[in-house]
Parts: sequence; C-alpha cells; structure tokens
Amino acid sequence: GDSVTQMEGPVTLSEEAFLTINCTYTATGYPSLFWYVQYPGEGLQLLLKATKADDKGSNKGFEATYRKETTSFHLEKGSVQVSDSAVYFCALSGSGNTPLVFGKGTRLSVIA
Amino acid sequence: DAGVTQSPTHLIKTRGQQVTLRCSPKSGHDTVSWYQQALGQGPQFIFQYYEEEERQRGNFPDRFSGHQFPNYSSELNVNALLLGDSALYLCASRTEESGGNTGELFFGEGSRLTVL
Repeated sequence: GDSVTQMEGPVTLSEEAFLTINCTYTATGYPSLFWYVQYPGEGLQLLLKATKADDKGSNKGFEATYRKETTSFHLEKGSVQVSDSAVYFCALSGSGNTPLVFGKGTRLSVIA
Repeated sequence: DAGVTQSPTHLIKTRGQQVTLRCSPKSGHDTVSWYQQALGQGPQFIFQYYEEEERQRGNFPDRFSGHQFPNYSSELNVNALLLGDSALYLCASRTEESGGNTGELFFGEGSRLTVL
C-alpha cells in the first residue's frame, strides 16, 4: 500500500539556519503530496502541497518540490525562526478520493 | 468562522469501557474524517463520513464505529477499550466538492484518550 517515510527527529537548529526535512513516498499512480504542521497546542494545518510532478509548493518561506524520479518531497526553508518550532508531517493522497497517508512526523526545535 | 471543534479535549477511561468523541466540522464543510494519532506516530485514517454514511474505512476493527448527523457533525465510538487505544483522536473536515486528492483537510485539535 501507499506509504510515506520521513527523517526521524528531533531536529534542533539555531535561528536563521537552513532547514531540510527529507520525505520519500511509495504510491501507485500519481499521488498528491502535502506537508502539514502541528504547532504546540494546535491542530494540524496544511503548510503546502503539490499535485503533480515538478510542482513546487511554497508557503511562509517553506518550499518542497514534487520529484517523481526520486519519489521525494523534501521540505526546505532558508532561514528558520523560533516560531517555526513544531512537528512537521509529510503526507500523500493517492488517485481519486483516497484518505491522507502520513509519515511519522519530524519535531523541529529552533533556538534563539 | 469557527474551525473544526472537538470534545472532550481530554478523557481517561479504563479497559473494557466505551467512549464517544464528538466533532463539529468547519462551517460549510460536509465531509468528516477521523484519524488516530498514537504517541510519536503520524495520524492513521479510521473512517470518513459523507451524507450520514461511512464512505471509506481504514484498517481498524469493528470496535471503532461512527455516525454523522444531518447537521454534518460526527461522533466516533470505541467499544471494549484496550490499552493500545490510548491516542490523540483527530477529526478533519472538508467540502465534498473540494475532495479528490487535491483538497485541503482542516483538522481539529483532537481528543486525547488515555486508557488505564
């Protein structure tokens, strides 16, 4: 079945450091790919998405490019802030009305 | 505009008991999904409701059941609780027309269930 593998955390960075969180997937067909973020005490919220190969999703300085050849959707940000501290989940949704499949999540802590 | 609201936020039960969790979807949303998030894991799909019917179901036993009401709100029921049912239960909603595999899901903050 469909699955998502993302790098294990926790990840601790200093403010203004470069962030990469790796995500790879296994799926049949042409899934849509998502990054969701869970801030402390809040529900999951969509950070960005890409629905076809080579699409780049971006939001709040975060970016991820849908790479079909490497089945990857790595999350990047050039300069993290303390307010980016959260748990980040990579997810996919397969063809048709299929439910989201999530990775295990990566906890990011940014220190001043 | 209220987002997805869930109740209760926390609850403690003992093995063998039954629990009911409630969810009100975001205004204008008609499709509700439930997810289980165990500690340190990503959310896992339990089931989805639309037009008061269970439309899709994940790999969960029949002890997990649900309901959707005419106002689109939903309940998740778990019978004969096991220690392994301890988790954060998340409700998510969207509109049917935004569905397929491109739509955004809106999540509530979850109900944290502890089974002793």
